[in-house]
Amino acid sequence: NAGVTQTPKFQVLKTGQSMTLQCAQDMNHNSMYWYRQDPGMGLRLIYYSASEGTTDKGEVPNGYNVSRLNKREFSLRLESAAPSQTSVYFCASREDLNTEAFFGQGTRLTVV
Amino acid sequence: TQLLEQSPQFLSIQEGENLTVYCNSSSVFSSLQWYRQEPGEGPVLLVTVVTGGEVKKLKRLTFQFGDARKDSSLHITAAQPGDTGLYLCAGRLYKLSFGAGTTVTVRA
Repeated sequence: NAGVTQTPKFQVLKTGQSMTLQCAQDMNHNSMYWYRQDPGMGLRLIYYSASEGTTDKGEVPNGYNVSRLNKREFSLRLESAAPSQTSVYFCASREDLNTEAFFGQGTRLTVV
Repeated sequence: TQLLEQSPQFLSIQEGENLTVYCNSSSVFSSLQWYRQEPGEGPVLLVTVVTGGEVKKLKRLTFQFGDARKDSSLHITAAQPGDTGLYLCAGRLYKLSFGAGTTVTVRA
């Protein structure tokens, strides 16, 4: 009963380093999302993929890239990490636009 | 600027008291969802409201969708410490957007 699995759970990066956050869902959902959560700002959408093969920018896409590798997997890449990207990152998936979004447990990223 | 404004930002009450959390927008939503998030976890869906004026009850939680489908409220009756958490509303336009959340603390 995995649902949405994110890796890693914790990561510390130095400014300028790159890394990829991985996300996989086993519910055969069409849509997948990447959010960041910061105190007092709720969940802000970085990128989303409405279906396999498509990706679109959300509210805060700068500094990030995504890949919808297949229907199961949606990765988020930071090419050159900055301290402003210190945050908790959540991946989510849903079957369609009116259904429940299922979230992973989050990745806590610190950029020093 | 948040598409969905939630108020209050923080709420601390005594066990047994009632509380109401609000979610407002200038946009009309086809549906609105409420999620609850506990520390170290991702949000979990509580309810989806679709019809303007709709009221849904989930045990001690009552959710209302405004007639114009621009706002919603969550009312908890006789709050318990287990209700402590971050309550988020989310609305769908072409994507799912979240409010900043209300942090609820229920003291025993």
